[in-house]
Amino acid sequence: GAVVSQHPSRVICKSGTSVKIECRSLDFQATTMFWYRQFPKQSLMLMATSNEGSKATYEQGVEKDKFLINHASLTLSTLTVTSAHPEDSSFYICSARGRRGVSEAFFGQGTRLTVV
Amino acid sequence: QKEVEQNSGPLSVPEGAIASLNCTYSDRGSQSFFWYRQYSGKSPELIMFIYSNGDKEDGRFTAQLNKASQYVSLLIRDSQPSDSATYLCAVTGSSASKIIFGSGTRLSIRP
Repeated sequence: GAVVSQHPSRVICKSGTSVKIECRSLDFQATTMFWYRQFPKQSLMLMATSNEGSKATYEQGVEKDKFLINHASLTLSTLTVTSAHPEDSSFYICSARGRRGVSEAFFGQGTRLTVV
Repeated sequence: QKEVEQNSGPLSVPEGAIASLNCTYSDRGSQSFFWYRQYSGKSPELIMFIYSNGDKEDGRFTAQLNKASQYVSLLIRDSQPSDSATYLCAVTGSSASKIIFGSGTRLSIRP
């Protein structure tokens, strides 16, 4: 399958600071990228969908001013958690899809964020 | 009603047997169906995808799709302990703009 690289894999930050997570498609052009959050023993929760060059579409209940998503190129999307709080501690995972339509999405390795 | 439903399990299957995982979805216009495997603390990895009614086989895995019943399943033959994981069913909606995941079924293969 295609390769999606997510960085960093693990980050610890202080409450009130911002954290940026990068998601790169290494061997294909990702027209769509998805950002998910997963709490322990729970399902993946879709946070937002972004298409290259356009604004992200956020799911209901996700604060777009707190979770800033940028999809500036066909190979890179970033998620910035602004003014992080302990309740934002979670496993954040990106996935990328190569073309519009029904193709499968491939996941990055995930980022475990701990806010202290 | 959830868009994609799975039994959370755990489903316990003896080594060497067939594991059967099931999933139902609510959007009759759904176009694509995926099975992902997720080990604890890791991100999901794609196992199978299926677009058309019927069966699709890949090694020990068989995906089955029945659009009339809005049902998709995954069979794992000759189950191995390394198959123990959470299996996520995922579906693209009729607009195909996003992929919706079920909550996952935890599978445990006992030696």
